[in-house]
Amino acid sequence: NAGVMQNPRHLVRRRGQEARLRCSPMKGHSHVYWYRQLPEEGLKFMVYLQKENIIDESGMPKERFSAEFPKEGPSILRIQQVVRGDSAAYFCASSPRRDRGDSPLHFGNGTRLTVT
Amino acid sequence: GESVGLHLPTLSVQEGDNSIINCAYSNSASDYFIWYKQESGKGPQFIIDIRSNMDKRQGQRVTVLLNKTVKHLSLQIAATQPGDSAVYLCAENSGGAGSYQLTFGKGTKLSVIP
Repeated sequence: NAGVMQNPRHLVRRRGQEARLRCSPMKGHSHVYWYRQLPEEGLKFMVYLQKENIIDESGMPKERFSAEFPKEGPSILRIQQVVRGDSAAYFCASSPRRDRGDSPLHFGNGTRLTVT
Repeated sequence: GESVGLHLPTLSVQEGDNSIINCAYSNSASDYFIWYKQESGKGPQFIIDIRSNMDKRQGQRVTVLLNKTVKHLSLQIAATQPGDSAVYLCAENSGGAGSYQLTFGKGTKLSVIP
């Protein structure tokens, strides 16, 4: 997990508040992926971003969730008006290129969101 | 192997023994497979990967076997150590070379008995 930095590690929000999760990819990586791990479930793909572009958001819930990866700064996953069902671990991963090449996907240690 | 319901399948092995963790994948079009190790409170850590044009790949103390006929993947860990205790996740990539959209299984929990 070295290199992909996520913060905060733990985030507590009350229902209706906004949650912002940040991800800084490994040095030299320009592609970021967000995955969600719900309790007792496997990791599920949410969104794939390149700098200033959303490439694939087929796994993102249609409402309240958004993601960005600006030219400067970390990638942000934003959840508006959080509900209890949003409580999960959110993982970010990065890659150096669009195609797989010989480089596997490396994950950060995640942000654990708890909605009270 | 793949979990059914809410509980992870668990494999308990004696320290020093070999471990075999199994995974059934779902998409016959998947062409790339990865094994990750996930310790409590941490993110998935890459162990080994294999492409569909291979049926076996070896790393340090680990071997991955791929059987495309029955869509089965296994991870073998030689001389299992207490530090190997974790949840092991298999993932498949059916998105082609242009995608890292991985589909994960729920995982298998490996417990090593000292």
